[in-house]
Amino acid sequence: DVKVTQSSRYLVKRTGEKVFLECVQDMDHENMFWYRQDPGLGLRLIYFSYDVKMKEKGDIPEGYSVSREKKERFSLILESASTNQTSMYLCASSSKVWGYNSPLHFGNGTRLTVT
Amino acid sequence: DQQVKQNSPSLSVQEGRISILNCDYTNSMFDYFLWYKKYPAEGPTFLISISSIKDKNEDGRFTVFLNKSAKHLSLHIVPSQPGDSAVYFCVGDSNYQLIWGAGTKLIIKP
Repeated sequence: DVKVTQSSRYLVKRTGEKVFLECVQDMDHENMFWYRQDPGLGLRLIYFSYDVKMKEKGDIPEGYSVSREKKERFSLILESASTNQTSMYLCASSSKVWGYNSPLHFGNGTRLTVT
Repeated sequence: DQQVKQNSPSLSVQEGRISILNCDYTNSMFDYFLWYKKYPAEGPTFLISISSIKDKNEDGRFTVFLNKSAKHLSLHIVPSQPGDSAVYFCVGDSNYQLIWGAGTKLIIKP
C-alpha cells in the first residue's frame, strides 16, 4: 500500500513566520503535489513536481514555494505566513502516468492555523 | 469560475437505499471524470472514474453515469452502507489537470 506521510497533523504559527510542511512517500512515485482544501472550494493545487528538483506552479502558488531535493520528499514553504493561509494542506503522490490510470494517493493532511 | 460544480453540500440517505450524488461541469475538454471519497482527518481516496467517451462505469456498489449533452455526471451507491458516510469529490481531468468540485457530504442514516 502506498503511504504518504505528512509530518504534522496540526500546526499553529504566527503571522510573518516561515513555515515548512513536509511530505514523504514510500512508493517511488515520480509525481508529487501540494493542495489546500477550504470549505466550499474543493481542493486547489498549489504546486506540483514531476521529478527531483523539478517544480511547476499550480492554480494558487502565490505566497508559497516548494522544494524537492529527493524523490520521496516534497516540502511546501510559506515564506511569510499570513492569516489567509490558514487552511488544510494535503500532499499527494502518483506514478508517472497521471490521471485516470494513476490515482493520487494523499496524506492525512496538515491543518495550519496562522494567528 | 467553477468548472466542476457539486450543488448539494450535503445529502442524507437511509441505510440500504440508493445514494445519488450529482455533479455538473462547464469544461467540454475534460477527458476523464473521477470521484474521490474523504473521511474526516484523512486524505481523499480514489473511488471510481469514467472516460469521457463512455456513459457508464460500474464497480461493485458504485456506478458513475455521464451525460455529455447535459454536462452532468452522477455517482450511484447501491445499497448505501454506514461506511459510505463521507465527503465525495467530483473531479474533472483535462490533459492531466485536475479540477475539483467543492464536495458533497453524504450521511447514511441507520
